[in-house]
Amino acid sequence: EAGVTQFPSHSVIEKGQTVTLRCDPISGHDNLYWYRRVMGKEIKFLLHFVKESKQDESGMPNNRFLAERTGGTYSTLKVQPAELEDSGVYFCASSPDPGTEAFFGQGTRLTVV
Amino acid sequence: AQSVAQPEDQVNVAEGNPLTVKCTYSVSGNPYLFWYVQYPNRGLQFLLKYITGDNLVKGSYGFEAEFNKSQTSFHLKKPSALVSDSALYFCAVLSGGYNKLIFGAGTRLAVHP
Repeated sequence: EAGVTQFPSHSVIEKGQTVTLRCDPISGHDNLYWYRRVMGKEIKFLLHFVKESKQDESGMPNNRFLAERTGGTYSTLKVQPAELEDSGVYFCASSPDPGTEAFFGQGTRLTVV
Repeated sequence: AQSVAQPEDQVNVAEGNPLTVKCTYSVSGNPYLFWYVQYPNRGLQFLLKYITGDNLVKGSYGFEAEFNKSQTSFHLKKPSALVSDSALYFCAVLSGGYNKLIFGAGTRLAVHP
């Protein structure tokens, strides 16, 4: 069974540019989550999809971040325009049900210069 | 507010010795607790969880964790450390809405030969 995959693994962009991160969850997992770890601090929740619906986006830092999950399969997280403080590792996770353990991808390391 | 604390940034232990990685939590109600591990250049991997039942939970790679309600702790333990256990360890608690994980800042475990 394929795990959660994220693309790209690394991205270096200039301040003001746009970046789109992609996450493919485990097949059949309705729940998809985005998390972020900035500057070696704790991993923080960004948002939660159930199928194609945003269940909770309370962790999204501002309106420069846009997440979508069209068709309830893969998800994208767009940052536009990127700022220096957006640098960090963005993790995606999926689970069959909320309250069960989530399976994480390898993360996308975003560096904004 | 719900939170997780990992008081040690780094734990150093000699191979073959027992190891403990500490975690305390603050959450209303009954906690759902998790440990994840991140090996270099890899994603987060689920180690073990406590939902209910026996306070001693056994997980992957010989790790176990003890839930202590009175001390609000969920320390990760292993009787005999391996060099290959060197990694970043994260403790997490499921939020009250059971839809997102609240992580600690992580503890780097270094096992020396």
